[in-house]
Amino acid sequence: NAGVTQTPKFQVLKTGQSMTLQCAQDMNHEYMSWYRQDPGMGLRLIHYSVGAGITDQGEVPNGYNVSRSTTEDFPLRLLSAAPSQTSVYFCASTYLGGGYEKLFFGSGTQLSVL
Amino acid sequence: QQQVKQSPQSLIVQKGGISIINCAYENTAFDYFPWYQQFPGKGPALLIAIRPDVSEKKEGRFTISFNKSAKQFSLHIMDSQPGDSATYFCAVRISGSARQLTFGSGTQLTVLP
Repeated sequence: NAGVTQTPKFQVLKTGQSMTLQCAQDMNHEYMSWYRQDPGMGLRLIHYSVGAGITDQGEVPNGYNVSRSTTEDFPLRLLSAAPSQTSVYFCASTYLGGGYEKLFFGSGTQLSVL
Repeated sequence: QQQVKQSPQSLIVQKGGISIINCAYENTAFDYFPWYQQFPGKGPALLIAIRPDVSEKKEGRFTISFNKSAKQFSLHIMDSQPGDSATYFCAVRISGSARQLTFGSGTQLTVLP
């Protein structure tokens, strides 16, 4: 069982370039989300989706787009990379059951924007 | 605006000691309080969670203490081990918020052998 798979693990971009971070889950979870992790700031929610075809903004959505065409995939697009987007990005899918919820995180993408 | 304040930023504990990490919040609409553990190079993983209708939850060496009136909750790690060395994040969720978690800033725990 793969869980949540993120690619790539590392990426270096130049300012102004665009790219897509891929995220796939095989647990049939409806809810998926993208977070960025910066030192001293914890994890901040970028975008989330409550099911195929439904997405919404989180705390820090500017400069990012998402789409959810299938339950499995939730890619994150950087439209025009900026140095402020240098961060570690985590995709997560959420299990709901037993009166609690559990986020399953991918292993992250370390992005540097020069 | 920080919805949950976590302290300390870093913590060093001797093997066998007790590690205590605290989180404070303001919004009384939060209804779910999990703790996540993250090892270097990995994504965070759920460690333990509590709802506001109980004051304490224990799972093995890990305990959450919840003080609703003070709007604080804490993670206690008993008999801390070097393998517990990791970054710990508290989180909160607003009731009815479509599963949006807001995370604290994290605590880097080092347990010395």
